[in-house]
This record gives sequence, C-alpha cells and structure tokens, in this order.
Amino acid sequence: AQSVTQLGSHVSVSEGALVLLRCNYSSSVPPYLFWYVQYPNQGLQLLLKYTSAATLVKGINGFEAEFKKSETSFHLTKPSAHMSDAAEYFCAVTLPGRGADGLTFGKGTHLIIQP
Amino acid sequence: DSGVTQTPKHLITATGQRVTLRCSPRSGDLSVYWYQQSLDQGLQFLIQYYNGEERAKGNILERFSAQQFPDLHSELNLSSLELGDSALYFCASSRAEDTGELFFGEGSRLTVL
Repeated sequence: AQSVTQLGSHVSVSEGALVLLRCNYSSSVPPYLFWYVQYPNQGLQLLLKYTSAATLVKGINGFEAEFKKSETSFHLTKPSAHMSDAAEYFCAVTLPGRGADGLTFGKGTHLIIQP
Repeated sequence: DSGVTQTPKHLITATGQRVTLRCSPRSGDLSVYWYQQSLDQGLQFLIQYYNGEERAKGNILERFSAQQFPDLHSELNLSSLELGDSALYFCASSRAEDTGELFFGEGSRLTVL
C-alpha cells in the first residue's frame, strides 16, 4: 500500500522567507502526488498535483513542488512566505488508475508565518 | 467556494444520541467521500459512494453508516455517539476519478458532550 510521511507537524518561517514543507512517499509503482491546503475553518483545497507529466509542478498562490523519484520526495516550496499562507498543508498519494478511491493523506504540517 | 455543501456546520449533542450529516456534491460529480478529522487521528477516510453504490470503505465504525441518494446527495449517520466521535466531518466529491482530485466541503463540526 502507498503512504506519505510529512516531516514536521509544525513549521515556522518569517514573512518573506522561503517556505519548505517536506513530504516523502512510499509506493510500489510511480504514484500520483498531491498537496492540499486547509485554511482555518475551511475544507481542504487542492494546491497542486503530480500525475507523471513534468516533475516540477506549479500550483496556486505561488507554490510549487518537485517530484524526485531517487529521493521518493515531493517537497512543497514557495520563495517568499506571506501571512495569508498560514494554514495546514497535507501531502497525499494515490496510484494511477485508483484515483481518489485510493487517496491517502499525510498527517499534515501546520505552517506558521512570523511577522 | 468548492461547490460542495455540507449541513449542519455545527452540531452539539449528547452521548448515546444519533445525528445525520448531509452533503451535496458539486454539480455533475458522481462520487462522494466522507472523512473524519480529529486532532489525535488526523484526516481519516470513512467511506465512498459512486452514483448511489458503496465503492470503498475505510476506517468507518459499525455505529456509522452512509448512503447516497438518486439525486446524488449523501448522508452520514452517526449513532450511539461517544465523546471520542467529536470531530470535523468532511464530505468531498470528485468527477475526474482517475486523477484523484477531490473538492471538499467546509465540514460539519460535531461536539458530543
């Protein structure tokens, strides 16, 4: 079965600094990978997704992630943090053909932005 | 706005009671998923329906049940409630099942006293 591990339940960065949220996956075949964001008192929304096309994926709000097969990683980055980026971020994995049926979420990383 | 509607947004009830949570998926989405989110367990997949039929089951307790109606809305029934059932319950819908993209509602926050 596939799984994801998010390193760090809480990450704190200063406004304007680089954001790096780590996600490592485990899968027997090349997976599809996702980052979702949950703002306070809201549901999750898709930030970006990797479905075996380009390994560098650009998402909404200036976020991007790079699929690295050799490192089994799919880390999320943003060059300059904004106060509005404060939220919970979830990495998720599924297998091609399984789609949302097989979607497995990580435990989440709470991103704190310091002024 | 994701297009997924959940009611009620907040619900407070007592142990032993039964509640029903309702979800209307995005227009055209045939799949509905239910998730439970709590501080200790994180985001847990409960159950999925596709066009009225149960498609997949996750960590759903026997005290919980769900169904999807012909108009595609879904209900999650929670019975014999315990304190530990207090959580945020999300509904999500999907159209492009092959990509795994889900659209989430804003959730129903259940508090069991």
